[in-house]
Amino acid sequence: DIQLTQSPSSLSASLGDRVTITCRASQGIGSSWLAWYQQKPEKAPEPLIYAASTLQSGVPTRFSGSGSGKEFTLTISSLQPEDSATYYCQQYNSYPFTFGGGTKVEI
Amino acid sequence: RVTLRESGPALVKPTQTLTLTCTFSGFSLSTSGMSVNWIRQPPGKALEWLARIDWDDDKYYSTSLKTRLTISKDTSKNQVVLTMTNMDPVDTATYYCARSTTVTMDMDVWGEGTTVTVSS
Repeated sequence: DIQLTQSPSSLSASLGDRVTITCRASQGIGSSWLAWYQQKPEKAPEPLIYAASTLQSGVPTRFSGSGSGKEFTLTISSLQPEDSATYYCQQYNSYPFTFGGGTKVEI
Repeated sequence: RVTLRESGPALVKPTQTLTLTCTFSGFSLSTSGMSVNWIRQPPGKALEWLARIDWDDDKYYSTSLKTRLTISKDTSKNQVVLTMTNMDPVDTATYYCARSTTVTMDMDVWGEGTTVTVSS
């Protein structure tokens, strides 16, 4: 199974800050089959990014994804109040699919 | 509009079998490229992928849970059913179903989840 390790596990930042979350895979993820999700308390996850860097429809452009192989990043260019949430990476390169441990972003 | 909704018992006893149903609309699991996944999240913990069923009835399972899980579909009812045997208190979690397509490959639409508590 591919293990995904997210760092940091939590962070606190100010409005307008640039925030970067890293997701490292135990094995290379071909074709960048990696997604990012945002989850707010008591809510289902919402998709943000697929194929490592493609924004889902309707996702604000302050969110961006990059990376390949074993290291991927999610960046929020200018943190907004509604971005307070937990963020998860997920690989769909091979079965079983796996999620990272999550990064809680507080403002 | 694509929607999914999970249903099932809120409380099960240890050793019992859990049966969850995902009822969806806005797409068909008989359409090439469509899939439905099950994911769970214990209280305060991370997401865990459990299983997936494809339009062509291919099935995939979590390595650690595959001996306990069965996923199936009823295309005529637009439903996917997940059964988990030998339930234990550590299986207490919110269980989600989510759609995947070959367009984006990720899980692009999620249900709101159903909470299952395992307790005697």
